[in-house]
Amino acid sequence: EVQLVESGGGLVQPGGSLRLSCAASGFTFSSYDMHWVRQATGKGLEWVSGIGTAGDTYYPGSVKGRFTISRENATNSLYLQMNSLRAEDTAVYYCARAPSCSSTSCYRYFDYWGQGTLVTVSS
Amino acid sequence: SYELTQPTSVSVSPGQTARITCSGDALPKQYAYWYQQKPGQAPVLVIYKDNERPSGIPERFSGSGSGTTVTLTISGVQAEDEADYYCQSVDSSNTYLVFGGGTKLTVL
Repeated sequence: EVQLVESGGGLVQPGGSLRLSCAASGFTFSSYDMHWVRQATGKGLEWVSGIGTAGDTYYPGSVKGRFTISRENATNSLYLQMNSLRAEDTAVYYCARAPSCSSTSCYRYFDYWGQGTLVTVSS
Repeated sequence: SYELTQPTSVSVSPGQTARITCSGDALPKQYAYWYQQKPGQAPVLVIYKDNERPSGIPERFSGSGSGTTVTLTISGVQAEDEADYYCQSVDSSNTYLVFGGGTKLTVL
């Protein structure tokens, strides 16, 4: 059974940093792309970052330069280092699995999600 | 930046057909995906690659597309289908993922 368990959320002051973790199990972690998606209370979903099987990374403009996604295949772990946090980064952060790209196709979507961890940026 | 547009809400009676649309300029060239999210829960994939259903998703869920608009259709809506539904795709470079704003499906 595929399981994704996020941790590391909490309360942080504006301008501060936080590191989220996602523990994966039930599948060959190194063979899948992994992503972070967030959702502010009462709002929609927002893609935050992605990392491919080769370690290639992707970010939307809203977090580029402030957030860093990384993975450790030996421990089946995904991370999100968040720096220079702002009030608008307050949200539940989900870890999500995505199919990896092949030489001929690349389908970017999320087939499994964790339950999320809450990040609150406030003074 | 690339955007996907969904209606804010859709309401149907039990047993009727619900249709939720999603519009985006890149949809003729990029696949669309649909997620169902119930309160307090993580999203669940219900349609991938425009019209494919993951295992375990009921047959009443289907997807289709025409031009810059894709549609999630739920036939014979049940009370348990009441949820928020999000479309998702990628930009024309196939690099940046984007979600629609979400549609709240209410079963009357």
